[in-house]
Amino acid sequence: DQQVKQNSPSLSVQEGRISILNCDYTNSMFDYFLWYKKYPAEGPTFLISISSIKDKNEDGRFTVFLNKSAKHLSLHIVPSQPGDSAVYFCAASAVGNAGNMLTFGGGTRLMVKP
Amino acid sequence: EAGVTQFPSHSVIEKGQTVTLRCDPISGHDNLYWYRRVMGKEIKFLLHFVKESKQDESGMPNNRFLAERTGGTYSTLKVQPAELEDSGVYFCASSQHPRAGELFFGEGSRLTVL
Repeated sequence: DQQVKQNSPSLSVQEGRISILNCDYTNSMFDYFLWYKKYPAEGPTFLISISSIKDKNEDGRFTVFLNKSAKHLSLHIVPSQPGDSAVYFCAASAVGNAGNMLTFGGGTRLMVKP
Repeated sequence: EAGVTQFPSHSVIEKGQTVTLRCDPISGHDNLYWYRRVMGKEIKFLLHFVKESKQDESGMPNNRFLAERTGGTYSTLKVQPAELEDSGVYFCASSQHPRAGELFFGEGSRLTVL
């Protein structure tokens, strides 16, 4: 049973517009959430994270929003660039796990069209 | 600084054979992890080393999988005997401070079992 779900396998947006990637989780013990980006034939690379004590974290063009009551988080990319085209994985870590065991979603492939 | 390196990048073996995957973490990283992505699905945790000790191996699928980390440096993951369902991409990651969210992943070793 998947505890972290990314229900959209793919997303296509125009360059310059906003990309919104969504992620839902079921485990109430998750207290730390991360987004990773993955290019073909490469390993995932860390993008941005958020602790459960916050509802927003921003880093340049990337913002992660956390809605604990809905068990939902989202990644906003503004403005989207063609180089952002990749697979994005949402991941979560549980209380007491100290970030050592990440539970990943299935990924969303983002395509940014020039 | 060298990143996480994995070898081989791709291995094709027949069912029943043995394969050993190797991971060299970033120098100085005490934490080393193995993850696996099967059939393009979510990335799943296999196990976690702190130096040479197995901290958590709850994700190891069965006793056909054996992971070691010699002297707290490189790690190997052996699959013996390999089954068809073991096909996938095996990622190694390392970190010094996992709570910061940054696990540094290698490019992965793709295993194909025929």
